[in-house]
Amino acid sequence: DTEVTQTPKHLVMGMTNKKSLKCEQHMGHRAMYWYKQKAKKPPELMFVYSYEKLSINESVPSRFSPECPNSSLLNLHLHALQPEDSALYLCASSHRQSAIANYGYTFGSGTRLTVV
Amino acid sequence: SQQGEEDPQALSIQEGENATMNCSYKTSINNLQWYRQNSGRGLVHLILIRSNEREKHSGRLRVTLDTSKKSSSLLITASRAADTASYFCATDKNYGGSQGNLIFGKGTKLSVKP
Repeated sequence: DTEVTQTPKHLVMGMTNKKSLKCEQHMGHRAMYWYKQKAKKPPELMFVYSYEKLSINESVPSRFSPECPNSSLLNLHLHALQPEDSALYLCASSHRQSAIANYGYTFGSGTRLTVV
Repeated sequence: SQQGEEDPQALSIQEGENATMNCSYKTSINNLQWYRQNSGRGLVHLILIRSNEREKHSGRLRVTLDTSKKSSSLLITASRAADTASYFCATDKNYGGSQGNLIFGKGTKLSVKP
């Protein structure tokens, strides 16, 4: 299995809702990432998990809460989002969080989130 | 913040022609990667070039890296309509010694007309 699977593919939520995005990989990768991508912009790094521990938080607002229950799963819990949080949320994984390893990332297809 | 800047921002060519995209970056790197994205969906890893490499090939793709100029180029030869996509270069960002987190450039939107 060489894929990163993200669910749901589309999500519409109100500003008072609580929802979760899910990401799963079975490639044995030990680094997992959340990126946010606005229309016509590059992906922006949000969080990095390395060996199931939060390694990097790119000053993301607390209304986004990541969770890594095990080495194959990565969740992003959403609460009290704003319309400007509407974007494509991409999950990715790599063998390790290390540039020395020189690995490419494997990305999921993303969840297109609309906050109303 | 973006590490890389692609040039041009948009490129339109005819099928069969070659497409060249350039990327400049700001800090020292361990590697530079190119990704492709169709219609705002997931990114696909195309090729990785290490800082001690100057050129790399993969099928119709040719990547060059000039670390002295902090720049890279991606050449797609004999383009096809199916190559229509956005192409991003990505480099790692150094977090006080912890590296390996990809930061993407702004991307080049390539349109290949049949």
